[in-house]
Amino acid sequence: EAQVTQNPRYLITVTGKKLTVTCSQNMNHEYMSWYRQDPGLGLRQIYYSMNVEVTDKGDVPEGYKVSRKEKRNFPLILESPSPNQTSLYFCASRLGSEGEQYFGPGTRLTVT
Amino acid sequence: GDSVTQMEGPVTLSEEAFLTINCTYTATGYPSLFWYVQYPGEGLQLLLKATKADDKGSNKGFEATYRKETTSFHLEKGSVQVSDSAVYFCALSPRRGSARQLTFGSGTQLTVLP
Repeated sequence: EAQVTQNPRYLITVTGKKLTVTCSQNMNHEYMSWYRQDPGLGLRQIYYSMNVEVTDKGDVPEGYKVSRKEKRNFPLILESPSPNQTSLYFCASRLGSEGEQYFGPGTRLTVT
Repeated sequence: GDSVTQMEGPVTLSEEAFLTINCTYTATGYPSLFWYVQYPGEGLQLLLKATKADDKGSNKGFEATYRKETTSFHLEKGSVQVSDSAVYFCALSPRRGSARQLTFGSGTQLTVLP
């Protein structure tokens, strides 16, 4: 089954404790993205990647890092999480710049 | 930069009522336009899309027409069902060949009552 998976689905952590949210897709897609969803703001793009070792900033990259060492994986790293990063995070992938975007199920992060 | 503006919700309708959710956009060039739906506890799913002016996207009884003259892509359904209760997002993708990903509106919560 074609899908995008994220782990963990729920995470509660404390300020400053480094964390990684994993994302994996099994569709051999080149493009992958991370979004955060906040009430009244819709989805905002954090980072995106056009292929292995090629990444770029989205609209709200501050406080986040990403890496793309393999085509299927695109982890999101919070080196020093802060409460304003409490949000619902979605990973997505697409075949090319024109392809349909597939979303993961989301990761709800709470930073206290 | 690119932006998408959706009508604010929440929207509450009775079953079989007519639905319109307004969406307007600002973009350079000729973007592709999308409607995504998010059911409770799930990720976003593509509902329909249109890639050029005057195209009509349709799926599951929903329709939207790409209107370049009014920069709009309003979502409509003639008779909603309880199962249509979800959050609906309008989105655009920049001009062909751009690596930039989707720009989303703020979402509209729809609740359909039996």
